[in-house]
Amino acid sequence: DAKTTQPPSMDCAEGRAANLPCNHSTISGNEYVYWYRQIHSQGPQYIIHGLKNNETNEMASLIITEDRKSSTLILPHATLRDTAVYYCIVRVAYIQGAQKLVFGQGTRLTINP
Amino acid sequence: NAGVTQTPKFQVLKTGQSMTLQCAQDMNHEYMSWYRQDPGMGLRLIHYSVGAGITDQGEVPNGYNVSRSTTEDFPLRLLSAAPSQTSVYFCASSYNRGTDTQYFGPGTRLTVL
Repeated sequence: DAKTTQPPSMDCAEGRAANLPCNHSTISGNEYVYWYRQIHSQGPQYIIHGLKNNETNEMASLIITEDRKSSTLILPHATLRDTAVYYCIVRVAYIQGAQKLVFGQGTRLTINP
Repeated sequence: NAGVTQTPKFQVLKTGQSMTLQCAQDMNHEYMSWYRQDPGMGLRLIHYSVGAGITDQGEVPNGYNVSRSTTEDFPLRLLSAAPSQTSVYFCASSYNRGTDTQYFGPGTRLTVL
């Protein structure tokens, strides 16, 4: 399974862009990169995903390098409610055609007022 | 839609006791899965199901059983609880064998004494 490496913690000022890096140097060509976040002890919440093109939705942007060995999640205008643990995940094919999310340790993002 | 629901929210067991963690979803999702989350270890896949009547093992299946008699429900059974099973358990579901966004339940915090 492809593994991801993230910094254990980051800080960001409220209203600024939060840029969360992720390394996934062993990712295979057909494996997607997903980002989830977990606020307090709630269930993980989906943010965004991509294969090789940059993606944007109402929550965030995902920038994937051309060689796909790393990516960056961007929260354009961070708020206090964005304080959470952010997981960069590689979705890998599993048996019976199912997929599984391989969770790493995540980055604890703290948004400061 | 209620989404993914889990009961109970908290449970304390003694070693050797058995119990069932309930998971239900009302989104008509094919794919359902169980993860456990331990400090410093991210989320690990226990069992998953790609449809009613079909289940299979994930990364850490020992000590757990599952069944999928309906599309909506995916209970997780602890056969003989052990302290090593103290964890937070999350159920997740998605439309198509996990290739779509996975939606997580609020979790069950289990302590085995």
